[in-house]
Amino acid sequence: AQSVTQLDSQVPVFEEAPVELRCNYSSSVSVYLFWYVQYPNQGLQLLLKYLSGSTLVKGINGFEAEFNKSQTSFHLRKPSVHISDTAEYFCAVRATDSWGKLQFGAGTQVVVTP
Amino acid sequence: NAGVTQTPKFRILKIGQSMTLQCTQDMNHNYMYWYRQDPGMGLKLIYYSVGAGITDKGEVPNGYNVSRSTTEDFPLRLELAAPSQTSVYFCAASGGDLTDTQYFGPGTRLTVL
Repeated sequence: AQSVTQLDSQVPVFEEAPVELRCNYSSSVSVYLFWYVQYPNQGLQLLLKYLSGSTLVKGINGFEAEFNKSQTSFHLRKPSVHISDTAEYFCAVRATDSWGKLQFGAGTQVVVTP
Repeated sequence: NAGVTQTPKFRILKIGQSMTLQCTQDMNHNYMYWYRQDPGMGLKLIYYSVGAGITDKGEVPNGYNVSRSTTEDFPLRLELAAPSQTSVYFCAASGGDLTDTQYFGPGTRLTVL
């Protein structure tokens, strides 16, 4: 089984400042890793995913994440946030040999203020 | 192309009532899912389906039922609603290979009083 821990429940950040959202996972098998974003009153949409290859993954809206196998982490970063980045961010994991069932973290609420 | 649509957006139920949450997708995806989202808990998988006529339980199936008679529709049935089922419910669909992306609907906010 897999589990995901998002280390911060809420991250306040000023506009144009950098942000890092931390995600650690636990799994006895190889995994795929995902970050989803949920804007207020909307469903989730995919930001980026790590499948294999380069450990630095670039996603939409200027976000990127780095997979660190030794530390079992998949932290999400953005060098300069906008007000529109205010949202909840979910890290998710799925075993590579397991169909479809994502295991989500509890989420990190990012609040961007001017 | 609407993607995944859900109805209703909001609903208030009394304890013991039943209802069906509707989910429809127009992406011709075989795989569909129902999740519930509780504050501070992330999303938990309720049921999923790998194609018409095939469904299976997820992590938290108790109190729910599903059916999948067509590729497009995947309704979630709540029988004998309880306050513990107060939550936001999301339906999702995906193409089905192991690396695929799940596409989510806008959610249904359900309150059971």
